[in-house]
Amino acid sequence: DGGITQSPKYLFRKEGQNVTLSCEQNLNHDAMYWYRQDPGQGLRLIYYSQIVNDFQKGDIAEGYSVSREKKESFPLTVTSAQKNPTAFYLCASSTPPGQAGALSTDTQYFGPGTRLTVL
Amino acid sequence: RKEVEQDPGPFNVPEGATVAFNCTYSNSASQSFFWYRQDCRKEPKLLMSVYSSGNEDGRFTAQLNRASQYISLLIRDSKLSDSATYLCVAYTGGFKTIFGAGTRLFVKA
Repeated sequence: DGGITQSPKYLFRKEGQNVTLSCEQNLNHDAMYWYRQDPGQGLRLIYYSQIVNDFQKGDIAEGYSVSREKKESFPLTVTSAQKNPTAFYLCASSTPPGQAGALSTDTQYFGPGTRLTVL
Repeated sequence: RKEVEQDPGPFNVPEGATVAFNCTYSNSASQSFFWYRQDCRKEPKLLMSVYSSGNEDGRFTAQLNRASQYISLLIRDSKLSDSATYLCVAYTGGFKTIFGAGTRLFVKA
């Protein structure tokens, strides 16, 4: 079955630690995204990647880093510089706009998420 | 002002009721729109895209009013399983997709 997987489902981090969240997709999508969701708020974009070896900062990139060495994988590292990392992290992928026919759109499909808690 | 605004709810309705969710967006250049459903502690899942002419999928009807920058979702004959948070989403071009904070729905027996 095609889809997006994220691991781990739950992650606990101590102060000062870096942690890496995994995201893998086998949908053959070029574009991948990382979002953060806090209670009562919409999803906020951390980073996105259009193609392998390219990625761009989103609205809240400070304290995070990513890599895109393979089309299928887009791991997110939450560094110790991120002062308030406790949140629900969601990875998504899509066929980039312009490749989905005449309709300019960006339908995104999400992985199951990783819930990160700072101890 | 938020780029995509939704009534946070919660909406509490009995089974069988019709419920309507409203959403406004601020960027007139927004190109396409979606409704996602998110269950508690789960990922958002695409419910339906929203087309200019309006579209219907079973008990769900989505409408778009570009002049008023307004999107709606109507759920008819509500089921217990419809209880979830409904996210309004606007794609504004490039790689910019804006998610509303969501409206919570509780359907009660």
